[in-house]
Amino acid sequence: NAGVMQNPRHLVRRRGQEARLRCSPMKGHSHVYWYRQLPEEGLKFMVYLQKENIIDESGMPKERFSAEFPKEGPSILRIQQVVRGDSAAYFCASSPPLTGTQYFGPGTRLLVL
Amino acid sequence: AQTVTQSQPEMSVQEAETVTLSCTYDTSENNYYLFWYKQPPSRQMILVIRQEAYKQQNATENRFSVNFQKAAKSFSLKISDSQLGDTAMYFCAFMKHPLNTGTASKLTFGTGTRLQVML
Repeated sequence: NAGVMQNPRHLVRRRGQEARLRCSPMKGHSHVYWYRQLPEEGLKFMVYLQKENIIDESGMPKERFSAEFPKEGPSILRIQQVVRGDSAAYFCASSPPLTGTQYFGPGTRLLVL
Repeated sequence: AQTVTQSQPEMSVQEAETVTLSCTYDTSENNYYLFWYKQPPSRQMILVIRQEAYKQQNATENRFSVNFQKAAKSFSLKISDSQLGDTAMYFCAFMKHPLNTGTASKLTFGTGTRLQVML
């Protein structure tokens, strides 16, 4: 059973460009979570999605950030018009329904020049 | 809102010795999960151990065990027979129990403890 997959692993963007981060959950997992880790800090929750639904987006910045988890395909975290402060590691996690344990992907390191 | 506090930014231990990492949390919930995750230099987040609040017995996983004190809201991690591969950042995390919320829930993390295992 493959683990949580994220791609790309590293992404470099110039200020003002768009960044698209992808996450494929573990097989059988219908819940996806995105977290952001700034340098030398802990992980901060951004958004929690189930298929075609955003359940909790309380940690998502109000502007430029969006997330989706379509019926088919991976979950996408989209950052429009990136700024240097968006440079961070973005982790995706997945879990089965109604269990507590989340399993993490390897993360995407975003660098904004 | 829940908060998780890890008061030890850095710790070190000699190989084969035992070390305890501290974690306290604040919540008004009665049922919840607590976790320890490990982040080695590869930056991958690896689940170390999980504790359900309604279970009085402390969780153990091989060399890793916890001391869960619900009344004190304390959740420390003990690593026995430390190995070089245990060198990593360790994060304590809190989650509301899915049965409380009717669905899964987010993790709230502490700021981490950097553990260095020395020869």
